Amino acid sequence: DIQMTQSPSSLSASVGDRVTITCRASQSISIYLNWFQQRPGKAPKLLIYSASNLHSGVPSRFSGSGSGTDFTLTISGLQPEDFATYYCLQTHYLHSFGQGTRLDFK
Amino acid sequence: QVTLRESGPALVKPTQTVTLTCTFSGFSLSTSGMSVSWIRQPPGKALEWLARIDWDDEKYYNTYLKTRLTISKDTSKNQVVLKVTTVDPVDTATYYCARDYGAFGDTWGQGMLVTVSS
Repeated sequence: DIQMTQSPSSLSASVGDRVTITCRASQSISIYLNWFQQRPGKAPKLLIYSASNLHSGVPSRFSGSGSGTDFTLTISGLQPEDFATYYCLQTHYLHSFGQGTRLDFK
Repeated sequence: QVTLRESGPALVKPTQTVTLTCTFSGFSLSTSGMSVSWIRQPPGKALEWLARIDWDDEKYYNTYLKTRLTISKDTSKNQVVLKVTTVDPVDTATYYCARDYGAFGDTWGQGMLVTVSS
């Protein structure tokens, strides 16, 4: 099975900062990679699909890149509502999530 | 408007079988390319994908749980059902269903907590 490793597992930042979260697959997954945001007590929300496509309604400060085994999610200009946990998900072979990255206030 | 809602027992005893139902609206699971998955999240832990069923009745399972999971659909009722056999306290989690139509997880249910305890 394909293992997904996110880094860092937690991250502290301030409003207005630019942050990057990475996700590495244990084997090539082409661009079959999605990113989700989850706020406490809520269901995850799709941010990015197919590595770099912004889901409808998602602010343009979110962007994704990568292919093969290495992927990044970048948030440019953090807003207060962005402090949450972020997950990557591969859909190349079955599905598997990363372990999550918790983003909190510095 | 696409919506999904999970339902089932909130409390089950160890060794029992739990049946969870995802009732959806705003789309049809007979549409080519449509899929519904089940995902769970133990308290304070990461998301875990469990199973998926496609519009053509193809089914896919988490490798480590496949012997305990059964997914099925009732297109006429707009429902997807997940059965989990021989539950254990480690199966305590919030269970979600989510749609995949070109982009996995474009819409999720609100989730429901299932607690396994005697």
